[in-house]
Amino acid sequence: NAGVMQNPRHLVRRRGQEARLRCSPMKGHSHVYWYRQLPEEGLKFMVYLQKENIIDESGMPKERFSAEFPKEGPSILRIQQVVRGDSAAYFCASSTAGDINTGELFFGEGSRLTVL
Amino acid sequence: AQRVTQPEKLLSVFKGAPVELKCNYSYSGSPELFWYVQYSRQRLQLLLRHISRESIKGFTADLNKGETSFHLKKPFAQEEDSAMYYCALMDSNYQLIWGAGTKLIIKP
Repeated sequence: NAGVMQNPRHLVRRRGQEARLRCSPMKGHSHVYWYRQLPEEGLKFMVYLQKENIIDESGMPKERFSAEFPKEGPSILRIQQVVRGDSAAYFCASSTAGDINTGELFFGEGSRLTVL
Repeated sequence: AQRVTQPEKLLSVFKGAPVELKCNYSYSGSPELFWYVQYSRQRLQLLLRHISRESIKGFTADLNKGETSFHLKKPFAQEEDSAMYYCALMDSNYQLIWGAGTKLIIKP
């Protein structure tokens, strides 16, 4: 089991472009979480998804950000018209239904977005 | 407001010395707390959870509701303990609220 896979690991975009970050959860995991980490800050929850459903997007900015977890394929975090303030590390984590209330999440290595 | 505070961004101790990584929380309900660790070039991973009352790699953490703390301790630090440590609180929706992290450096 390769673990949670995120790509790209590093992404550079100019202001106004779109950024797409991908996350393949661990095999057998149907729950995906996206977190953002700004420099010198902790992880901030963005969105929690199950296959084809957004369960909790209370941490997502209302504009420009969207996430999906289709029936087939990876989860995608999409940021439209990026701005410099979007520069951060974006981490994906996954769990099984049984892991939810244990607090154990399995993390990817993160995708570092730099907006020029 | 629900919050997790790790007051030290950086903690540096000598090998063999005791280590205490501080974590304070603010939560109105009954807290469930966790410590996660990220070793150099590795993924963030669960170290221990308070409900298990376990010792992992020599680390323990006791929940002190009176002081709203969940400090991580180890009596004798080892060089391989150098890492980033994050304290996290699980809320009523099973979401984790994270501290900013403490970078632990063990000096030889």
